[in-house]
Amino acid sequence: DGGITQSPKYLFRKEGQNVTLSCEQNLNHDAMYWYRQDPGQGLRLIYYSQIVNDFQKGDIAEGYSVSREKKESFPLTVTSAQKNPTAFYLCASTLDRANTEAFFGQGTRLTVV
Amino acid sequence: AQSVTQLDSQVPVFEEAPVELRCNYSSSVSVYLFWYVQYPNQGLQLLLKYLSGSTLVKGINGFEAEFNKSQTSFHLRKPSVHISDTAEYFCAVSDRYNFNKFYFGSGTKLNVKP
Repeated sequence: DGGITQSPKYLFRKEGQNVTLSCEQNLNHDAMYWYRQDPGQGLRLIYYSQIVNDFQKGDIAEGYSVSREKKESFPLTVTSAQKNPTAFYLCASTLDRANTEAFFGQGTRLTVV
Repeated sequence: AQSVTQLDSQVPVFEEAPVELRCNYSSSVSVYLFWYVQYPNQGLQLLLKYLSGSTLVKGINGFEAEFNKSQTSFHLRKPSVHISDTAEYFCAVSDRYNFNKFYFGSGTKLNVKP
């Protein structure tokens, strides 16, 4: 079955550490996204990528970094510069630039301990 | 930029009762509209979408929504809810001419009581 796989499902990080969240898709979608979800705030866009080797900052990119070396992979690194990283992170993809539907992974819950 | 408003953060309802979850957005110019459902600790699943054509859109699990351009609304409805409909629901808008931009509301938690 085609879909988006995020790993790990739960992640614990010590303060000052960088961590990387994995997102892989086998839908052959061009565009991929990372969202952050906090209670009562909906989804906020961190980064997105329309094609391989290209990505753009979203609304809350500070303290995060991404890469897009392969079409199917879009990992997100939460750096130590992110002041409040505890949140639920969602990866999504769309087939093309037409915005007709976004497909989501199951999410990674990151907790700073 | 678009903004999406879901005025009700929580909606309690008894099983088999009808429900309406409200969604308003800031501009009706060339938008696509979506409703997603999220169960605890899971990703978002598409319920339905409006791209063009009939303003009444039917989705999965018996949900439907109506696009109202004059009121810039896209309210979600179900005539009879089940316990299994308990989840959080997100309205989203994408701008046809601002590629790859999806704007999400803050979500409405539907709590179906027996």
